[in-house]
Amino acid sequence: RKEVEQDPGPFNVPEGATVAFNCTYSNSASQSFFWYRQDCRKEPKLLMSVYSSGNEDGRFTAQLNRASQYISLLIRDSKLSDSATYLCVVTGGSYIPTFGRGTSLIVHP
Amino acid sequence: NAGVTQTPKFQVLKTGQSMTLQCAQDMNHNSMYWYRQDPGMGLRLIYYSASEGTTDKGEVPNGYNVSRLNKREFSLRLESAAPSQTSVYFCASRPRGEGGTDTQYFGPGTRLTVL
Repeated sequence: RKEVEQDPGPFNVPEGATVAFNCTYSNSASQSFFWYRQDCRKEPKLLMSVYSSGNEDGRFTAQLNRASQYISLLIRDSKLSDSATYLCVVTGGSYIPTFGRGTSLIVHP
Repeated sequence: NAGVTQTPKFQVLKTGQSMTLQCAQDMNHNSMYWYRQDPGMGLRLIYYSASEGTTDKGEVPNGYNVSRLNKREFSLRLESAAPSQTSVYFCASRPRGEGGTDTQYFGPGTRLTVL
């Protein structure tokens, strides 16, 4: 079983829709969790960190469920510019990050 | 600040040729990383350096060597390139060394094709 698993999608949604992605991880000792965004042929960029209490940044909400070992990303009021691949990243105590393979989102008019 | 820079942006090699990918960061970060990204495979860690003078293997180190030349620079060398090394290579840096929860900053990538 891969350490960090994501549904590759693509998720194809209309503008204005709400879409949610999940990411599961296998190492119960994982300590830090992040969502990165990667545009086609570009480098990954941090979208948001994921805290135990959950966190929100504008239209984006991230949640962590340690008991079930998954993190989620909710995007409200989707924009065309949200089209990208969303990478889930999980790290352990020594900060060796493990990346999921990414979930592709396509927002259409 | 330029952030994390990588050279070259594109490279085509023949099987058996050698080359070095360069990475530099101007953010005074302690940790630096080399990844490769292949279609459908996500980012895989090749080598990392938690501090100047130290390097460690990641998930896929075979066929590569690295040098942490100083705090700013971390190079990746392919001694004898193989077609299986065709990939996009990303360098990343992070403020802290071992431990911590801060995030990584990535360079723009090097697109390498081995014929």
